[in-house]
Amino acid sequence: EPEVTQTPSHQVTQMGQEVILRCVPISNHLYFYWYRQILGQKVEFLVSFYNNEISEKSEIFDDQFSVERPDGSNFTLKIRSTKLEDSAMYFCASSEGGNPYYNEQFFGPGTRLTVL
Amino acid sequence: GNSVTQMEGPVTLSEEAFLTINCTYTATGYPSLFWYVQYPGEGLQLLLKATKADDKGSNKGFEATYRKETTSFHLEKGSVQVSDSAVYFCALRGSGTYKYIFGTGTRLKVLA
Repeated sequence: EPEVTQTPSHQVTQMGQEVILRCVPISNHLYFYWYRQILGQKVEFLVSFYNNEISEKSEIFDDQFSVERPDGSNFTLKIRSTKLEDSAMYFCASSEGGNPYYNEQFFGPGTRLTVL
Repeated sequence: GNSVTQMEGPVTLSEEAFLTINCTYTATGYPSLFWYVQYPGEGLQLLLKATKADDKGSNKGFEATYRKETTSFHLEKGSVQVSDSAVYFCALRGSGTYKYIFGTGTRLKVLA
């Protein structure tokens, strides 16, 4: 069964460093998303991406964050200068074409980011 | 704004016990409601969903009914198994938006 994969499973970085979290969505999906969950808090939406553009983003997704689909298979989240409060589990998701407001989002296992 | 509140965990039950995990929501319009499950080391998997009031979603013995009058979407299962041990997330998606709004998740542990 096709699935969303994410690498690495755990990333440790120093405050101020840049990190790139990688995701491989399901191959025929067209919509891509990032969410995060700070320990003990809710899973929060960060951004959605379609046709090489951001289609929706939350107030969390500020200039420190960017997303990219560098090739036909990967979808990345970059944090330019990490802060302590960026420590969280980051989930990637993807959904089919058609109606994205209706289609199910398929989630990866997450990358745990620890900022020291 | 839209929000989801679900009961705190962890919930510990014996095998074959009845499960209820409460979920209530606040939303404008007519959101779709979801339950996702996360098994250890895996991603969030859709367990069931309901897209309009009074719809009942069901899968693998789990059920939840979209109750607009009480703004609730409680998850139930009549007889849990050890293999149901996981974290369960209630979520909603508002009309005309991509984003899911999740609750904090409820960890379920089922003992043999």
